Amino acid sequence: NAGVTQTPKFQVLKTGQSMTLQCAQDMNHEYMSWYRQDPGMGLRLIHYSVGAGITDQGEVPNGYNVSRSTTEDFPLRLLSAAPSQTSVYFCASSYYRGPVNTEAFFGQGTRLTVV
Amino acid sequence: AQKITQTQPGMFVQEKEAVTLDCTYDTSDPSYGLFWYKQPSSGEMIFLIYQGSYDQQNATEGRYSLNFQKARKSANLVISASQLGDSAMYFCAMREKIGGATNKLIFGTGTLLAVQP
Repeated sequence: NAGVTQTPKFQVLKTGQSMTLQCAQDMNHEYMSWYRQDPGMGLRLIHYSVGAGITDQGEVPNGYNVSRSTTEDFPLRLLSAAPSQTSVYFCASSYYRGPVNTEAFFGQGTRLTVV
Repeated sequence: AQKITQTQPGMFVQEKEAVTLDCTYDTSDPSYGLFWYKQPSSGEMIFLIYQGSYDQQNATEGRYSLNFQKARKSANLVISASQLGDSAMYFCAMREKIGGATNKLIFGTGTLLAVQP
């Protein structure tokens, strides 16, 4: 089983460049989310989605866009990369309308450096 | 609003000893779930253990147990008989159930555990 697949694993961008981090899951999960991990900050929620066509902002949404056209895919877009967006990014998915003990399944992470 | 607090940035423990990693939370919802994840140096997030707000007993999974004190809003992770492979970052997380649906998962800042031989 593939689970949650994130690409790329590593990326270096120049300031002002744009890119899309890809996330796909094959578990038919309604809920998908993006986190960024910075030293001493834990995992902070950027955006999340509870189903196709529905997205919402998390704790740190500025500088990021998302869309959810299918259940499987939840890409994260950086329109104009800034050094402050240097971080490790995780995509996660889980069931939504179910018991609260639904664990989140994580992708392997994307290490992004903006120079 | 949901909030998770981990006050220990780093911990040391001797191999084969037990260690407790602290986690306190804040929520106004009576229905919620608490999770612990392990992140080794390789970077992946590994689910360890879950505790529900209505569970009567503390959760256990092998060498992991959760010391759940609901009135104090704490959900500490206990690792018994520490092994070198337990050296990792550990995150506490919480998910609320609102309006019949589970809500977003919020994480603490993590505790870096180092197991010494």
